[in-house]
Amino acid sequence: KNEVEQSPQNLTAQEGEFITINCSYSVGISALHWLQQHPGGGIVSLFMLSSGKKKHGRLIATINIQEKHSSLHITASHPRDSAVYICAVARWTDKLIFGTGTRLQVFP
Amino acid sequence: DSGVTQTPKHLITATGQRVTLRCSPRSGDLSVYWYQQSLDQGLQFLIQYYNGEERAKGNILERFSAQQFPDLHSELNLSSLELGDSALYFCASSPREGVYNEQFFGPGTRLTVL
Repeated sequence: KNEVEQSPQNLTAQEGEFITINCSYSVGISALHWLQQHPGGGIVSLFMLSSGKKKHGRLIATINIQEKHSSLHITASHPRDSAVYICAVARWTDKLIFGTGTRLQVFP
Repeated sequence: DSGVTQTPKHLITATGQRVTLRCSPRSGDLSVYWYQQSLDQGLQFLIQYYNGEERAKGNILERFSAQQFPDLHSELNLSSLELGDSALYFCASSPREGVYNEQFFGPGTRLTVL
């Protein structure tokens, strides 16, 4: 079993929809990262969380340390949000352990 | 543009060969991380350097080695290449070491081993 699980694996949405991507992990962690990988391959760091909630534009990330769960929400989704979203956890070192990613497609 | 540069963008080589991938971190960043992304294994952490010293090691094969130079750029050396080494190799940097730092990713080097 992977230490970091994401759901769903694939997600299709219509423009304007509210989207939620989930990440569950089975190990103790210090921090959790959400990354976005564009179709061309480039990776962008969206959030680094150790507790609570963070918001950046239309993106919101939450984490519940006790339940070992994090969610990434996208409000008012847009076709340019189409990408793979990857959750990664850091235990007690800088080494990141990655989930397998959620592929999101947003159609106009 | 994250400010992290990687060269080359693409590399095609044959089994048994040796290649060097280069990474220049963002100005002022002291930590450099190397990752491998393959179709079957996904993203995996390989190794981290901080200010020239190795700090953390992941699932890096013995055929692979890395170093960080005094000017803070880093190189990942892959030798005795096998077909399974074909992957995207990313470098990332951050200002400091420690789990609470955001990492900034380079555009990656796509390695194809034929």
